[in-house]
Amino acid sequence: GEDVEQSLFLSVREGDSSVINCTYTDSSSTYLYWYKQEPGAGLQLLTYIFSNMDMKQDQRLTVLLNKKDKHLSLRIADTQTGDSAIYFCAESQGTGANNLFFGTGTRLTVIP
Amino acid sequence: NAGVTQTPKFRILKIGQSMTLQCAQDMNHNYMYWYRQDPGMGLKLIYYSVGAGITDKGEVPNGYNVSRSTTEDFPLRLELAAPSQTSVYFCASSSGLGDTQYFGPGTRLTVL
Repeated sequence: GEDVEQSLFLSVREGDSSVINCTYTDSSSTYLYWYKQEPGAGLQLLTYIFSNMDMKQDQRLTVLLNKKDKHLSLRIADTQTGDSAIYFCAESQGTGANNLFFGTGTRLTVIP
Repeated sequence: NAGVTQTPKFRILKIGQSMTLQCAQDMNHNYMYWYRQDPGMGLKLIYYSVGAGITDKGEVPNGYNVSRSTTEDFPLRLELAAPSQTSVYFCASSSGLGDTQYFGPGTRLTVL
């Protein structure tokens, strides 16, 4: 499989912005995703970006894609305690059903 | 729509026992997937299906079997449970090739 890497932990104070980073190795990625997993729950799709886009904004979420550096980031503005979760980056080539690769996840802890 | 549902939520098995993890979706998706998530790791694909009657192996298929007799259901069978199969299992579905995958809440399996 492809390598998708994320740092394991991030702590931020409530009200600050969080930035979760992801790097991937496959230059032929077509879609890149961010999933959120709350404790004991399944994965919830937060947002995704097509590889020909640089940025996508959706309310408090901003996704930035640097295709040259194969770097994806998720910025959460005004981070709340309810944002505490594990965030998974995933990349897909879109050419096969078995071509969705996940990172190890970043555990975001929001400190009140 | 209920989305993707999985049963049971939790299960403890003894070594050598068998069980079937159930997965159902009501979105009329053709594609369905089984992943396992080991602690501190990303998701790894076990099996997937591109439609009723069609299944194929993912990255880590050993020790598992699947069937897809209907569009809605995609059960995962463990024939001889081993401690290495202790994990959280997620089922997902998507409408087409490369489309966004929607996940179920997961089944936490412990093999003792």
